[in-house]
Amino acid sequence: NAGVTQTPKFRVLKTGQSMTLLCAQDMNHEYMYWYRQDPGMGLRLIHYSVGEGTTAKGEVPDGYNVSRLKKQNFLLGLESAAPSQTSVYFCASRPGLAGAETQYFGPGTRLLVL
Amino acid sequence: AQKVTQAQTEISVVEKEDVTLDCVYETRDTTYYLFWYKQPPSGELVFLIRRNSFDEQNEISGRYSWNFQKSTSSFNFTITASQVVDSAVYFCALSEDLNYNQGGKLIFGQGTELSVKP
Repeated sequence: NAGVTQTPKFRVLKTGQSMTLLCAQDMNHEYMYWYRQDPGMGLRLIHYSVGEGTTAKGEVPDGYNVSRLKKQNFLLGLESAAPSQTSVYFCASRPGLAGAETQYFGPGTRLLVL
Repeated sequence: AQKVTQAQTEISVVEKEDVTLDCVYETRDTTYYLFWYKQPPSGELVFLIRRNSFDEQNEISGRYSWNFQKSTSSFNFTITASQVVDSAVYFCALSEDLNYNQGGKLIFGQGTELSVKP
């Protein structure tokens, strides 16, 4: 049971380039989330999904898109990377059940945009 | 609006000292959950505890204890007899939306960096 995994672990992009971050979970969780972590700001929610085929915006969605074509995968896309998107990105998941509110996080992806 | 405040940005203690990390929250809901996560230098986020708003009992787990007080909207975390391995960034978080219409997302505090020196 790998839990929540993220690919890649680290990436350097040039301004304007695009990329996709992959999050995968093998716990059959309904809900999945993408957060970004910046110094002094904690984690902020980018987008989330309450089930396969559904996505919704979080607190800081601008410049990102997401897709949840399969229940176990949640993709985060940057169409045209900007230096302001330099951050550590965390994916999380949890069951869609009452009483199961704990989110479990992946190891993170460190992204540097030059 | 929901908000979590961890006023202590950095704390430095010497091993075996007790240390308390403060967390104050704001919410309009009467039903909510509070969490603490640990982020060691390796970077992953480790779940420590979840507490629902109806349970104000203090909790102890080994050297860790949590004090939840609704009257002051606080959920403080104490490490007794700290050890070097406790060095990490600790995050407090709040979850509302228990109807799950908005995904039950977490609102995080800014984090407190704890440094335990030998």
